[in-house]
Amino acid sequence: EIVLTQSPGALSLSPGERATLSCRASQSVSRNYLAWFQQRPGQAPRRLIYGASNRATGIPDRFSGSGSGTDFTLTISRLEPEDFAVYYCQQYGSSPITFGQGTRLEI
Amino acid sequence: QVQLQQWGAGLLKPSETLSLTCAVFGGSFSGYQWTWIRQSPGKGLEWIGEIHHSGSTNYNPSLKSRVTISVDTSKNQFSLKLSSVTAADTAVYYCARGSWVVRGVVITNLDYWGQGALVTVSS
Repeated sequence: EIVLTQSPGALSLSPGERATLSCRASQSVSRNYLAWFQQRPGQAPRRLIYGASNRATGIPDRFSGSGSGTDFTLTISRLEPEDFAVYYCQQYGSSPITFGQGTRLEI
Repeated sequence: QVQLQQWGAGLLKPSETLSLTCAVFGGSFSGYQWTWIRQSPGKGLEWIGEIHHSGSTNYNPSLKSRVTISVDTSKNQFSLKLSSVTAADTAVYYCARGSWVVRGVVITNLDYWGQGALVTVSS
């Protein structure tokens, strides 16, 4: 099983600032099948990025993903108030599918 | 627009069987893996397993002995059963549209989710 470790566990920033979230895999993620999700309180997760760097439909271009192999990054270029939420990475290259433990982005 | 609507019993006693169903509206039901994921209170996300529209399944080894996922293609529905539940199974359970694989390449994954259902196990 691939273990995904996200850092930091929590990140305090202000609107307008840049956020950089990290996800490290215990072994290489096949074909960079790595996704990022945003979860707001009381809501289901929403997919932001798939294939490490592809923005999902309807996702603003301030969200970008990068990385390959075992190290991946989600960057939010200019934080908007609605971006403060919990973010999860997820690998779907090997079974079982696994998620990181999440990064809480706080104002 | 694809929508997933889920339902099932929300309160169980220890040793009972959890049962949830997810209906898919819009889009194609064929070709996709249909997935169950859970989230324990205040914790992260755990993949439970998936079923292809053809009926083939894949389960998380940590739950495999207790999980059954089934599909009813005539209704565009899939279901989750988790037996012998304990308090540790208390969680919000989500259904989601999983992978669509074309010639060995995963085109998309977990792009649509149900609204979630809180299942509480308590005596």
